[in-house]
Amino acid sequence: AQSVTQPDIHITVSEGASLELRCNYSYGATPYLFWYVQSPGQGLQLLLKYFSGDTLVQGIKGFEAEFKRSQSSFNLRKPSVHWSDAAEYFCAVGAQQAGTALIFGKGTTLSVSS
Amino acid sequence: EPEVTQTPSHQVTQMGQEVILRCVPISNHLYFYWYRQILGQKVEFLVSFYNNEISEKSEIFDDQFSVERPDGSNFTLKIRSTKLEDSAMYFCASSGGWDEQYFGPGTRLTVT
Repeated sequence: AQSVTQPDIHITVSEGASLELRCNYSYGATPYLFWYVQSPGQGLQLLLKYFSGDTLVQGIKGFEAEFKRSQSSFNLRKPSVHWSDAAEYFCAVGAQQAGTALIFGKGTTLSVSS
Repeated sequence: EPEVTQTPSHQVTQMGQEVILRCVPISNHLYFYWYRQILGQKVEFLVSFYNNEISEKSEIFDDQFSVERPDGSNFTLKIRSTKLEDSAMYFCASSGGWDEQYFGPGTRLTVT
């Protein structure tokens, strides 16, 4: 079955500390991987994506993610968290084919403490 | 920067009523999608649409749902007879091809 698992429902990080959000996927075809962020009352904003090439991808707002095929993981990282990063983060997987569904994880809520 | 827009931002309706959620995808995109997010749950795919036809649909997208591109700019989701469990945030998305899907801000549907 195709699925995305985000094991951490809620994470609290101190401002300035590093962050890692975990994502594991199960997908039959060659995956196309995404991280989206959702602030309260807002839509889904793409942070970064991976479909091939360098397994470490850079995104917006200083985020990066590393694709590890052997572990079926696509973890999101940021070296120094800012209070404005508090939001919900969703990992998603899709096929490299137009018009197909994205499968989302349940999301991880990030809180930032001062 | 081009963006996907959705109207209304919040809709309240009574059980059994029909609702139409509207979306304006990015103008040069060819693929359109609807997703929903029930409060506290993950985002779930409903349907994708290309060339005036449904490309893919999920089990959620049953006969009470329909989609339409009534003109060159709008993409709509109709729920014929709403149920309490249809209460959710509905997201529209569009893509130019197999690359990333751009999401709108969502319409919160409340069924009473």
